Amino acid sequence: GDSVTQMEGPVTLSEEAFLTINCTYTATGYPSLFWYVQYPGEGLQLLLKATKADDKGSNKGFEATYRKETTSFHLEKGSVQVSDSAVYFCALSDRGNAGKSTFGDGTTLTVKP
Amino acid sequence: GAGVSQSPSNKVTEKGKDVELRCDPISGHTALYWYRQSLGQGLEFLIYFQGNSAPDKSGLPSDRFSAERTGGSVSTLTIQRTQQEDSAVYLCASSPTPRETQYFGPGTRLLVL
Repeated sequence: GDSVTQMEGPVTLSEEAFLTINCTYTATGYPSLFWYVQYPGEGLQLLLKATKADDKGSNKGFEATYRKETTSFHLEKGSVQVSDSAVYFCALSDRGNAGKSTFGDGTTLTVKP
Repeated sequence: GAGVSQSPSNKVTEKGKDVELRCDPISGHTALYWYRQSLGQGLEFLIYFQGNSAPDKSGLPSDRFSAERTGGSVSTLTIQRTQQEDSAVYLCASSPTPRETQYFGPGTRLLVL
């Protein structure tokens, strides 16, 4: 079945550091890939997405590129801020599985000033 | 427009009682998902509805859990004979079609005493 594996946390960085959160997936079909974010005390919301190979999703300085050859969708940001502290979830939605979504376990990021 | 709404926002119940959790998806969204998020944990998929197709119940943890979606809109998740391990935040999400961005509700925080 489908699965998403993301880097275990927690991750603690200093402000302005470079961020990478790894995400790899297995899917029976040709999935769309997503990063969702959950800020403290708030609900889950979409951060960025990509729907086909080599697409790059970007938002709020975050980027992730859909790599079909390595089945990966790593999240990156060049310079993190304290306000980026949150839990990040990698997810896929697979048409080959009737569109059912699969989420990773989440990675908690803490950015210190 | 209105987002996904869930009710109640908080529910405290005694062990052994039944509870019903309600989700109102965004109008016109054909896909509806239920997840469970325990404290400090990732998202656990419970059940997925897509249009008029039979729901994917593969994530329901036991036969005490059931869900229905009436008229392709409102959904109710029912937990019978609640146990303390059922305590969690129950999240509902909807999307326009499968493989598209999921929009999450604020969740229902369930505490079983």
